[in-house]
Amino acid sequence: NAGVTQTPKFQVLKTGQSMTLQCAQDMNHEYMSWYRQDPGMGLRLIHYSVGAGITDQGEVPNGYNVSRSTTEDFPLRLLSAAPSQTSVYFCASSYRERVAGELFFGEGSRLTVL
Amino acid sequence: GENVEQHPSTLSVQEGDSAVIKCTYSDSASNYFPWYKQELGKRPQLIIDIRSNVGEKKDQRIAVTLNKTAKHFSLHITETQPEDSAVYFCADGLTFGSGTRLQVQP
Repeated sequence: NAGVTQTPKFQVLKTGQSMTLQCAQDMNHEYMSWYRQDPGMGLRLIHYSVGAGITDQGEVPNGYNVSRSTTEDFPLRLLSAAPSQTSVYFCASSYRERVAGELFFGEGSRLTVL
Repeated sequence: GENVEQHPSTLSVQEGDSAVIKCTYSDSASNYFPWYKQELGKRPQLIIDIRSNVGEKKDQRIAVTLNKTAKHFSLHITETQPEDSAVYFCADGLTFGSGTRLQVQP
């Protein structure tokens, strides 16, 4: 199994540009989520999904959209990038219901918005 | 989870010493408390977890204790080694603490 796969690993955007961070998992996990990691602020939840067709907001959802059309994929969209979105983004999935199981993380995507 | 506070933010110990990291949470309904280790430039990975029906769990040199009454849980690392140097995160379900950077001095 590849586990959780994120692409791209690095991306530089200009303010106002849009992009999609891809996330796929091959473990048949129902729960998937996106976090952003900023220095000194830990991991903050952006959006999450408990199954195909179901998404919900986390702690810091503004400026980001998600969709979950399949169990395997959970892309994160930035519609109009801002410098405040410069961060490292992690996708994570879990086998069990969202609050009761180990999170498996992707390798991360480092995004810089100029 | 609602809010998780983690202390200290940085911790430096000598090789062979013990390290303790503490977290407090606010959600009384929480029942799953994992700890993740993140090495520099890598992804977070689970090292140990505890559920609310037990007070302590141990795995070789690492242990976690849980006090549900006081709403806090702690990570204990004994006989620290340089490879223990990393950032450690506690979590209350979906909510993570701000992390502790542990540096083990050889």
